[in-house]
Amino acid sequence: QSVLTQPPSVSGAPGQRVTISCTGNGSNIGTVYDVHWYQQLPGTAPKLLIYGNNNRPSGVPDRFSGSKSGTSASLAISGLQAADEADYHCQSYDSSLRAWVFGGGTKLTVL
Amino acid sequence: EVQLVQSGAEVKKPGESLKISCRGFGYSFTKYWIAWVRQMPGKGLEWMGTIYPGDSEASYSPSFQGQVTITADKDLNVAYLQWSSLKASDTAMYYCGRQYYYGSGSQRRFDIWGQGTLVTVSS
Repeated sequence: QSVLTQPPSVSGAPGQRVTISCTGNGSNIGTVYDVHWYQQLPGTAPKLLIYGNNNRPSGVPDRFSGSKSGTSASLAISGLQAADEADYHCQSYDSSLRAWVFGGGTKLTVL
Repeated sequence: EVQLVQSGAEVKKPGESLKISCRGFGYSFTKYWIAWVRQMPGKGLEWMGTIYPGDSEASYSPSFQGQVTITADKDLNVAYLQWSSLKASDTAMYYCGRQYYYGSGSQRRFDIWGQGTLVTVSS
């Protein structure tokens, strides 16, 4: 059972917009600690996609965006492409557990 | 190029010991934390522990404390994850990741990842 909760799967047609939620509590996302998102393409290592809630590393298209509010965060992907099929993981820090924590991951399928 | 390169896949029997490695290239290895992350088949990511190669200070997730040992050799730019007695339930992909520190406290993101080391434990 992951500390952060994500939906197991989401799907969308090419060109559409999808969002992936990440729900925590008052010890992690609900604190000062930022949320980061990672993209894991099939058979590969995770890659930093969004950092500090809503910032993109160099090279990440602006189709990807993040937000945080209260004890939840979201990743939005617009203009879906087949190449976006991957697992997406959220991550923060939990001050009660004194641990960096992840969500269970969400599998995105492009129909 | 900044990268982390991990050692190759391992197949072990229950009860055996194992040490896998993660070597840093292209940056000052002693100035960034290195974390180990487990991914069991079909599951999410789990932080296991972190080491600061500059002074070898390590911290562990409560879930992994006492189950693994994390060390580093700053002269070789390598971090290690080791087990003294493997179990079948240790079968997983293990990633090392560089934790980039910013802001204050424990604000860190995993900005660089190794390619992963698959560990299979089976009799």
